[in-house]
Amino acid sequence: DQQVKQNSPSLSVQEGRISILNCDYTNSMFDYFLWYKKYPAEGPTFLISISSIKDKNEDGRFTVFLNKSAKHLSLHIVPSQPGDSAVYFCAANFGNEKLTFGTGTRLTIIP
Amino acid sequence: KAGVTQTPRYLIKTRGQQVTLSCSPISGHRSVSWYQQTPGQGLQFLFEYFSETQRNKGNFPGRFSGRQFSNSRSEMNVSTLELGDSALYLCASHYQGGTDTQYFGPGTRLTVL
Repeated sequence: DQQVKQNSPSLSVQEGRISILNCDYTNSMFDYFLWYKKYPAEGPTFLISISSIKDKNEDGRFTVFLNKSAKHLSLHIVPSQPGDSAVYFCAANFGNEKLTFGTGTRLTIIP
Repeated sequence: KAGVTQTPRYLIKTRGQQVTLSCSPISGHRSVSWYQQTPGQGLQFLFEYFSETQRNKGNFPGRFSGRQFSNSRSEMNVSTLELGDSALYLCASHYQGGTDTQYFGPGTRLTVL
C-alpha cells in the first residue's frame, strides 16, 4: 500500500523555466511533509519541508505547496538550473521519526 | 560540522552470510534512522534508535537488526542474507527525532550474490 505517491517517474524542463513536481498521499494522519533531492551514489539531501498547519513554505528558489483537502503537495523550482537535475523524493510522517517516501521523480533540466 | 558517515560504502556478500553496516551521525545528533532503497520498493524505513534504544521499527523481518552505542554511532546487521537484500542502505541522523530534519549519509551499497 503506497501511502505517498509520485505519479510522474520523470520530468524534463528547460533551463530557466519553472519545474513543478507533484506528490499525493492517502493517509490523512500525515502532518509533516518534506522534499529531498538525490544524486546517484549519494544519500538524499533535504530541500524543504512544510507542516500541515501551513499551505505554503518558501526557501529561495524552492516553494512547497500543500493542499490538505486534496491530499496533494507540490514542489516548485524557479528558475530551474542544470544542477537541479536529480531524483526528487517527497516524504511524509506523523511527527515521528518514520519517514514514508514516494517513489521519486527524475528531473532533467535541459540547457 | 562533519556530515553523516557510513562504512563501508560498498559490500559484496553471498547468500546465507551476515553483514554489519556502520553509521556515524552528525556530532550532537542523538537519533539515527535506517532506510533500505531498492528499485522496486523505493525508500523504506527499517528502524530508528535514540539513546541506545530502538524507538521505531518498520515492516522488515527479524533478520534485520540494529543497535546504537553511547556515542550515538549505530550499526545494523542483516543475518542469513538473501538475494533480495541487495540494496542501498541509508542512515539518517537527526537531533532528537520527531519532525527534526533527517540528514542522510551516502549509503552502503550491498550486493548479495
